Amino acid sequence: AQSVAQPEDQVKVAEGNPLTVKCTYSVSGNPYLFWYVQYPNRGLQFLLKYITGDNLVKGSYGFEAEFNKSQTSFHLKKPSALVSDSALYFCAVRVPRNFNKFYFGSGTKLNVKP
Amino acid sequence: SQTIHQWPATLVQPVGSPLSLECTVEGTSNPNLYWYRQAAGRGLQLLFYSVGIGQISSEVPQNLSASRPQDRQFILSSKKLLLSDSGFYLCAWSLLNTEAFFGQGTRLTVV
Repeated sequence: AQSVAQPEDQVKVAEGNPLTVKCTYSVSGNPYLFWYVQYPNRGLQFLLKYITGDNLVKGSYGFEAEFNKSQTSFHLKKPSALVSDSALYFCAVRVPRNFNKFYFGSGTKLNVKP
Repeated sequence: SQTIHQWPATLVQPVGSPLSLECTVEGTSNPNLYWYRQAAGRGLQLLFYSVGIGQISSEVPQNLSASRPQDRQFILSSKKLLLSDSGFYLCAWSLLNTEAFFGQGTRLTVV
């Protein structure tokens, strides 16, 4: 079965410190991988994606993510967190067997303290 | 540029009443369309997706149905709402090799 796991329900960091939000996947073939951010009572906003090429992808708002095929991971990172980064983050995957579907992780709540 | 419109933003409906949520996309053709439900501000549950007019795939058995009467219109419906239908409903679109683009969501409260 295709799946995406976000092992941490919540991540807490201090403003100015680096942040990492973890994502691992279990899919057949070469997946397309995505990160989204959601603020309260809003839709999901796209941050970045990996389809092919360089394993380190850069996205919106200073976020980046590293695709690691051997570890089947796609962790989201930012060198210096902002209080305004506090939100709910979702990892998602699109799989070659059925590009019509996106599989989402359960979400990780990021709390950046001043 | 492409935009997605989803309305209403909030809705309070009594148990047993009908439901119709509408989603439209502008600026693209032949998109895949999706309805998700999000409970308690966490995970997304895929309810329906559509790859073309009149083509609906249902992911979970439930009290809801979906229709796609036009290429860029996706409607979520129910004949009789249940309390358990409360939640945050999100519409999204994508093309075959792109990310999904989400609407702003509808907060449905069934009372």
